[in-house]
Amino acid sequence: ETGVTQSPTHLIKTRGQQVTLRCSSQSGHNTVSWYQQALGQGPQFIFQYYREEENGRGNFPPRFSGLQFPNYSSELNVNALELDDSALYLCASSRDTYEQYFGPGTRLTVT
Amino acid sequence: GNSVTQMEGPVTLSEEAFLTINCTYTATGYPSLFWYVQYPGEGLQLLLKATKADDKGSNKGFEATYRKETTSFHLEKGSVQVSDSAVYFCALDSNYQLIWGAGTKLIIKP
Repeated sequence: ETGVTQSPTHLIKTRGQQVTLRCSSQSGHNTVSWYQQALGQGPQFIFQYYREEENGRGNFPPRFSGLQFPNYSSELNVNALELDDSALYLCASSRDTYEQYFGPGTRLTVT
Repeated sequence: GNSVTQMEGPVTLSEEAFLTINCTYTATGYPSLFWYVQYPGEGLQLLLKATKADDKGSNKGFEATYRKETTSFHLEKGSVQVSDSAVYFCALDSNYQLIWGAGTKLIIKP
């Protein structure tokens, strides 16, 4: 059974640019959640996708957007990057909205 | 709103010492409670969980009991090892999202 995978592992972008992060969910899972983890802090919920529809959203501006594909993989897009967007972005998948399994994360640095 | 509060770290212990990491929560209803562990450079791994009051979650020698009366879910281990050094996060399930504590860094010295 393949676990949750994320790509890329690390990414460096310049302020104002756009970025796309990718997540492949675990086999049999239909729900993907995205979290932002700033250095030294707990994760903050960005949004969740269930069967290709947004199922909930945290306190993040609209320049954070997402997508879920028919195979339940997902993308997180961030436009107009700001320095404060530098963080570890975590993807978690689950069967419906049950126990979440996390990927290794993508480390985004905005300069 | 729902929230989780953890004891601040770092917590530094000697190998074989007894570990307690405190976690309290504020929530409407009775959410599921979790402990996750994050090893250096890695993602989050579920350590244990409890889904209702008085449930005890356990894994790899770690335990935590869901205490409704004190709204707590403290993590304990009887004898820690150097390999337990990591950051530990307490979290609760709030509908479709997890609400997290700030994390407690645990350092175990040989």
